[in-house]
Amino acid sequence: EDQVTQSPEALRLQEGESSSLNCSYTVSGLRGLFWYRQDPGKGPEFLFTLYSAGEEKEKERLKATLTKKESFLHITAPKPEDSATYLCARGGGSQGNLIFGKGTKLSVKP
Amino acid sequence: KAGVTQTPRYLIKTRGQQVTLSCSPISGHRSVSWYQQTPGQGLQFLFEYFSETQRNKGNFPGRFSGRQFSNSRSEMNVSTLELGDSALYLCASSLLIGQTNYGYTFGSGTRLTVV
Repeated sequence: EDQVTQSPEALRLQEGESSSLNCSYTVSGLRGLFWYRQDPGKGPEFLFTLYSAGEEKEKERLKATLTKKESFLHITAPKPEDSATYLCARGGGSQGNLIFGKGTKLSVKP
Repeated sequence: KAGVTQTPRYLIKTRGQQVTLSCSPISGHRSVSWYQQTPGQGLQFLFEYFSETQRNKGNFPGRFSGRQFSNSRSEMNVSTLELGDSALYLCASSLLIGQTNYGYTFGSGTRLTVV
């Protein structure tokens, strides 16, 4: 069964305190590993897609990395405006769809 | 360029009614997917349309249906609404190349409340 598991479910950081979010996924038939940011009441906002183990992508304070079974979203020196739910999804589900994890809710306190 | 547009943003319906939601994809994207998001289940795949044909379908009852028009705009319909259908319904458009979707972009969603 296709699965995506994110941890932790919730993360509280102080402004400037760097950390990482984890996403583990079933490997078979992977067609991309996606990261999205979602603010309350809004649709997911695309951040990154990774396709190969060893691949890394960066955007401002965020950096996504991919291994054979996991992806990490590293947040460096976060600011309060980084507070959101971060969703991980794998492409190539058995129905050709994106399969999402339940998300990590990040809160950054000033 | 314009993003994915979903209308309406909010809907309140009573049990037993039906509802139609609309999604206009990014220009040039011919694949449209629909997802249901609830606090308990997260995002779950409903169906995908490409070139006016349903390409894939998730594990939802037949009360959930959709269609796509020649301009790639898509609608989804839910008949005989139940309280459990209350959710944020999200549409995503993408570029389908071969068997792989690229550039999944989501709209802001339609918040459906069934009372």
